[in-house]
Amino acid sequence: AQSVTQLGSHVSVSEGALVLLRCNYSSSVPPYLFWYVQYPNQGLQLLLKYTSAATLVKGINGFEAEFKKSETSFHLTKPSAHMSDAAEYFCAVSGHGGATNKLIFGTGTLLAVQP
Amino acid sequence: KAGVTQTPRYLIKTRGQQVTLSCSPISGHRSVSWYQQTPGQGLQFLFEYFSETQRNKGNFPGRFSGRQFSNSRSEMNVSTLELGDSALYLCASSWGTSGSRTDTQYFGPGTRLTVL
Repeated sequence: AQSVTQLGSHVSVSEGALVLLRCNYSSSVPPYLFWYVQYPNQGLQLLLKYTSAATLVKGINGFEAEFKKSETSFHLTKPSAHMSDAAEYFCAVSGHGGATNKLIFGTGTLLAVQP
Repeated sequence: KAGVTQTPRYLIKTRGQQVTLSCSPISGHRSVSWYQQTPGQGLQFLFEYFSETQRNKGNFPGRFSGRQFSNSRSEMNVSTLELGDSALYLCASSWGTSGSRTDTQYFGPGTRLTVL
């Protein structure tokens, strides 16, 4: 079965500082991994996804993530935080077992950006 | 291109009632998935429909049901509402072809259901 673990339910950074949001996965098959962002009172927006084409994945809004099989990790980073990055971030893995688009989500990390 | 739309955005019901939520996917998308989001349980998969057939189902009681129409629009229904059903219900659409695990799911803004 697949699962993802997000370490740190709350992360606070200063504007301009590095953003690092952690995600570790567990999967019995090669994983497909996603990062989504959720702003207050909105749905989820895809930041980036890993589908085995390249281990370093670049996404929207300056975010990127690196797939590390040896560490079973897919951490999300951004070199310089902006106030507009304050939101909740979810890591997800695509389920397997027949035809399915099912996503299994982590518990989320709420990012606060201090001025 | 219009995104995923969900109606209504907010809903207040009382225990024991039933409710129907609607989702219109992105044009051309044939897969619609539903998720429940609560502070305690996080984001949980309810079910997925593709070409009017339920293709996958999460671990929810039978009070939760759904359907998909020939134009790919989907509805989910919750009968005999309980207080614990209060949640944000999110709909996501994707191409769904061959049930690809790499398909990007595009989410709607959600329906906020409050059960009193």
